[in-house]
Amino acid sequence: DGGITQSPKYLFRKEGQNVTLSCEQNLNHDAMYWYRQDPGQGLRLIYYSQIVNDFQKGDIAEGYSVSREKKESFPLTVTSAQKNPTAFYLCASSIFGQGSYEQYFGPGTRLTVT
Amino acid sequence: AQTVTQSQPEMSVQEAETVTLSCTYDTSESDYYLFWYKQPPSRQMILVIRQEAYKQQNATENRFSVNFQKAAKSFSLKISDSQLGDAAMYFCAYRVDMEYGNKLVFGAGTILRVKS
Repeated sequence: DGGITQSPKYLFRKEGQNVTLSCEQNLNHDAMYWYRQDPGQGLRLIYYSQIVNDFQKGDIAEGYSVSREKKESFPLTVTSAQKNPTAFYLCASSIFGQGSYEQYFGPGTRLTVT
Repeated sequence: AQTVTQSQPEMSVQEAETVTLSCTYDTSESDYYLFWYKQPPSRQMILVIRQEAYKQQNATENRFSVNFQKAAKSFSLKISDSQLGDAAMYFCAYRVDMEYGNKLVFGAGTILRVKS
């Protein structure tokens, strides 16, 4: 089955620790995205990548980092510099190009930092 | 900057009835794409329907249809014959094309409750 996997589903960390969230897709999509979801707000874009070895900052990139070494993988690191990291994180992928291509989403990772 | 506004934090509908969720957006572009996504309690985001701005005809997917008013920058979602499985958070989204790709700008969402 084609799709996007995110692991783990729940993640707990102590304040001051970096943590990496996994995102893998087997849809052969070029573009991948990371969004953050907070209660009462819509999704906000953290980083996105259109091709391997290239990525761009989204609207709320401060305190986060990413890499795109493989087409299938786009891990997100939440660093200790992120002031309020507790949130629900969603990874997505899509075909790259013009057109009404939808973004496909993974099941998400709930990160709790205490 | 593009913004998306969903003015109804919560809506309720009786099973088998019809409900309309509102969405307005702000853009200076003439060609763009709009989407409605559904997020059930599992939190998996699922595409419900999409609309290309250059198409005058409103999109329809089974029980789901949109009322796209380009001049008014309005993109409402109508759900007919509501079912218990329709209960979810619904997000309206606008696609922004950028130099190195595109992104979705989301509204804050509307929680839809379906009563049996």
